[in-house]
Parts: sequence; structure tokens; C-alpha cells
Amino acid sequence: DVKVTQSSRYLVKRTGEKVFLECVQDMDHENMFWYRQDPGLGLRLIYFSYDVKMKEKGDIPEGYSVSREKKERFSLILESASTNQTSMYLCASSLSQKQAGLEKLFFGSGTQLSVL
Amino acid sequence: GEDVEQSLFLSVREGDSSVINCTYTDSSSTYLYWYKQEPGAGLQLLTYIFSNMDMKQDQRLTVLLNKKDKHLSLRIADTQTGDSAIYFCAVLPYSGGGADGLTFGKGTHLIIQP
Repeated sequence: DVKVTQSSRYLVKRTGEKVFLECVQDMDHENMFWYRQDPGLGLRLIYFSYDVKMKEKGDIPEGYSVSREKKERFSLILESASTNQTSMYLCASSLSQKQAGLEKLFFGSGTQLSVL
Repeated sequence: GEDVEQSLFLSVREGDSSVINCTYTDSSSTYLYWYKQEPGAGLQLLTYIFSNMDMKQDQRLTVLLNKKDKHLSLRIADTQTGDSAIYFCAVLPYSGGGADGLTFGKGTHLIIQP
């Protein structure tokens, strides 16, 4: 089974802190994603990466950056945490598609981040 | 862009069938997905359907697609307490695009009454 592991289940940080959220997948997937999940808003894509050292902005990249130095690891960075970044953060990975159009995402369990 | 709509809550009695509905706007959508999120967990792919199909059945799950009305539904037969979760509809708007093009609905909380 594909395993996507997020390093922390819960995090509490203070406003202005630099925050690192780590995600590791063990199935050699090319593609990795960071989403945030908020009640009533569903999932929103923050950043994604289709290859090592490659990164692309999603729908809500402001206030975030990412790092993909190794294929298996995709880090989300909050440069200066703010209270409106309190959310559930979900990492996901998928295999580069050989069958056009079929995208199967595998998700981690999520990190609930509270910024005080 | 694509817009995917779902009801936020659905309450059913244990043993009844649950029908979770989803509507989308982009008629060129290719693959349509249902993900399940159990409490305290990430999303898990439940099933998917390709746009040239009308129906897909997998044990207790039946997916129906009405392309004309841009309506997708997930039917869970004999609903059990373990089916209590949030169900997300997701749509890929065009063939050849990556998963970054996936649009998720806001999720439907399925509540099971004893």
C-alpha cells in the first residue's frame, strides 16, 4: 500500500514563526501536492510538484512556499505564520500518468495547524 | 473554472441506502471521483467513473453519471456505522491534465442514525 506520511498530526505555533510541514511518500510517485482543508470551503490546492526541484503554484499560494529536494519528500513552508493559516493541511501524491486523465491521489492523515 | 457542488450534510438510518449527489459545470470533464474521509484521517479514493460510462458498481457502491445534467451520484446500499464520513466529489475537467486540475466539492457529511 502507498503510504504518505505527514510528520506531525497537531502543531501549535505563534504568529510570525516560520513553520515547516513535512511530507514523505514511499511509492516513488512523481507528483506531490499540498492542500488545505477548511470547514465549508473543502480542499484548496496550495502548491504542487511534478518532479524533483520543480514546483508550481496552486490556487492559494500566498503566504506559502515549498521545497522538493528529493523525490519522496515535499515540504510546505509558512514563512511567517498568521492566524488565518490555522487549518488542516493535507499532503497527497500520485503516480505520473500512463493512462491519460486518470489521476489517483493518495493522501496523508493531515496536520492540524493552529496559529495563535 | 470548474465548479463542483454538494450538499453539506446527509442523515440516513442504519440499513437504509444513502445517496450523495454532486453537480459540476464543465461538460468536458473526463474522470469523476468519490473520495472518503473518515474522522481524523486523510482522503481515500473510494471509486471513480470515466465520462463515457453511465454507471459503475462495486459491491455496496453504485456510481451514476448523467452527463446531460452534469450530475454525479454515489449510492451506498445497506449503510453501516462505518460509512460515517465526509464524502468528496472531485472532477478532472479535461483529458491529459494533471491532478492539479482536480476540482473538489466541499464534501458531504454522512451521518448515520441507529
